[in-house]
Order: sequence, then C-alpha cells, then structure tokens
Amino acid sequence: DVKVTQSSRYLVKRTGEKVFLECVQDMDHENMFWYRQDPGLGLRLIYFSYDVKMKEKGDIPEGYSVSREKKERFSLILESASTNQTSMYLCASSLFSTWYEQYFGPGTRLTVT
Amino acid sequence: AQSVTQPDIHITVSEGASLELRCNYSYGATPYLFWYVQSPGQGLQLLLKYFSGDTLVQGIKGFEAEFKRSQSSFNLRKPSVHWSDAAEYFCAVGAGDGGSNYKLTFGKGTLLTVNP
Repeated sequence: DVKVTQSSRYLVKRTGEKVFLECVQDMDHENMFWYRQDPGLGLRLIYFSYDVKMKEKGDIPEGYSVSREKKERFSLILESASTNQTSMYLCASSLFSTWYEQYFGPGTRLTVT
Repeated sequence: AQSVTQPDIHITVSEGASLELRCNYSYGATPYLFWYVQSPGQGLQLLLKYFSGDTLVQGIKGFEAEFKRSQSSFNLRKPSVHWSDAAEYFCAVGAGDGGSNYKLTFGKGTLLTVNP
C-alpha cells in the first residue's frame, strides 16, 4: 500500500514564525503535491514537484515555498506565518505516468494565532 | 481554464436509499474526470476515474459515475448507501496533456450524511 505521512496532525504556531510541514512517501513516486483545504473552498493546489529539486507553482503559492531535496520528501515552508494561513494542509504523491491518481496523507491542521 | 461545480454542499440520505451526487465541469477538450472521497480525519482516496470509452465507469465501494458530454456532467451514484459512506466527496477534472500540467482542479465538495 502507498503510504503518505505528514509530520504532524495538529500544529499551533504564532504569527511571524517560520513553519515547516513535512511530507514523506514510501512508493518511489516522482510527483508530490501540497494542497490547502478550507471549508467551502475545496482543495487548492499550492505547489507541486515532478522531480528532485524541481517545483512548480500551483494556484495559491503566495506566502509559501517548498523544498524537495530527496525524492521521498517534500516540505512546505511558511516563511512568516499569518493568521490567514490557518488551514488544513494535505500532501499527495503520484507516479509520473499516472499523475491524476494521487495518494493523500491524513493532513496537518495548522492554526496560526 | 478548467473548473468544477458541485451544486450540493450537503446531502442527507437514509441508509439503504440510492444516492446521486452531481458534478459539472468546464474544460475545452476531453476531460479526465475523477471522484475522490474523504472520510472524517482522513486524506482523500480515489473512487473512480474517466478518461475515454465507456461513459459509465465503475469504482471502488460500489460506486459508479456516468460521463455525459452534452451536459458537461459526471455524476456519482450508488444504488444503496451504507452508513460507512458518510464522508465528503470531491469531483475533480484534470488536463490530459501531461508534461508539467499535472494539475487536478477540485470542486468544493459535497458532504454526505447517512441517517440510520
């Protein structure tokens, strides 16, 4: 079974802090994704990566950056957290050839106070 | 740009009743269409997908969906709902040209409540 794990289920940070969200997948998938999920807005793509050190902006990249130094790990970075970044963050991965079949982690619920 | 509309925010059905969740999409070419399900506290799981061919596709957990090009719809159905089907359901559309265009566009979701 594909397993996508996220470093924390719940996280509380203060405004202005630098926040790291980590995602690890164990199926040698080329693609990895970070989404943000908000009630009434569905899932919105923040960034994705199709290879080590490669990244592409999604729909809402502002205020975020990413890092992919190893194939299995994809990090989302909030350089200076703000209250409007309080949300559920979902990581996903997929094979290059079947990019649409994405396997999701359980999510990290981030609260910025 | 592609987009997805799920007209129903919340649907309540009785256990054993039939279910239909609506999805309308907008995309210039033949779309790739998907339904994902998110159980409480879980990530999303792919239920079924449509690329081409037979317009009625079968998925996991007894779900099926029908692609209707003339209506730009991809509705999800189940003949008899079980209490464990209570979850949030997301319709998604994807561009099929690969490359760096890996984006899935998700609808806002439909929350399904199942009454005993």
